[in-house]
Amino acid sequence: DAKTTQPTSMDCAEGRAANLPCNHSTISGNEYVYWYRQIHSQGPQYIIHGLKNNETNEMASLIITEDRKSSTLILPHATLRDTAVYYCIVRVRREMDSNYQLIWGAGTKLIIKP
Amino acid sequence: EAQVTQNPRYLITVTGKKLTVTCSQNMNHEYMSWYRQDPGLGLRQIYYSMNVEVTDKGDVPEGYKVSRKEKRNFPLILESPSPNQTSLYFCASSRIPSGSFSYEQYFGPGTRLTVT
Repeated sequence: DAKTTQPTSMDCAEGRAANLPCNHSTISGNEYVYWYRQIHSQGPQYIIHGLKNNETNEMASLIITEDRKSSTLILPHATLRDTAVYYCIVRVRREMDSNYQLIWGAGTKLIIKP
Repeated sequence: EAQVTQNPRYLITVTGKKLTVTCSQNMNHEYMSWYRQDPGLGLRQIYYSMNVEVTDKGDVPEGYKVSRKEKRNFPLILESPSPNQTSLYFCASSRIPSGSFSYEQYFGPGTRLTVT
């Protein structure tokens, strides 16, 4: 059962900011939002995570709405090397054993165009 | 260099022939995990381990086994592979998660398995 909804694909011009949306309307109060990306079929790479506050690191910014039902990953100056599939993920408690796990959806394929 | 290594990177095998995919990390991480990825889908967890001798099932454990005898190694075993296990497999490691919080996971380069 997917906990996040993302657009299937997006384009962005090189040098512009790439804004990737994610809906997580059923997120619980203590569930974090994580972003990873996967270039070609390489191993996924961690980008950023957040709970309530906006976060920024050297790769990206994460903007979480006040009601926490959606978030946006921002790549401030996209380059061609940012072309990848971006995954918005939440860590949820499993019903079967109450252990937590990350739920990966299909992600957004971001294409950076010259 | 901090890394997760997997071997082999590519494997073509036949139905029923036992195989092992190795995974090793050099970051002293307690948590390790195996995922499979099929076309157009995200990652699905097969098994995970919170520490040595502690393993647990993920979402799709059927047909797979794991072991965690040493902290750095977490091999994935397919006792009798079948064509529906043809997939791209990733091993990952991280510091031990705590409740709803998961530390950054470091992923290996992937193993592309084809079972004919």
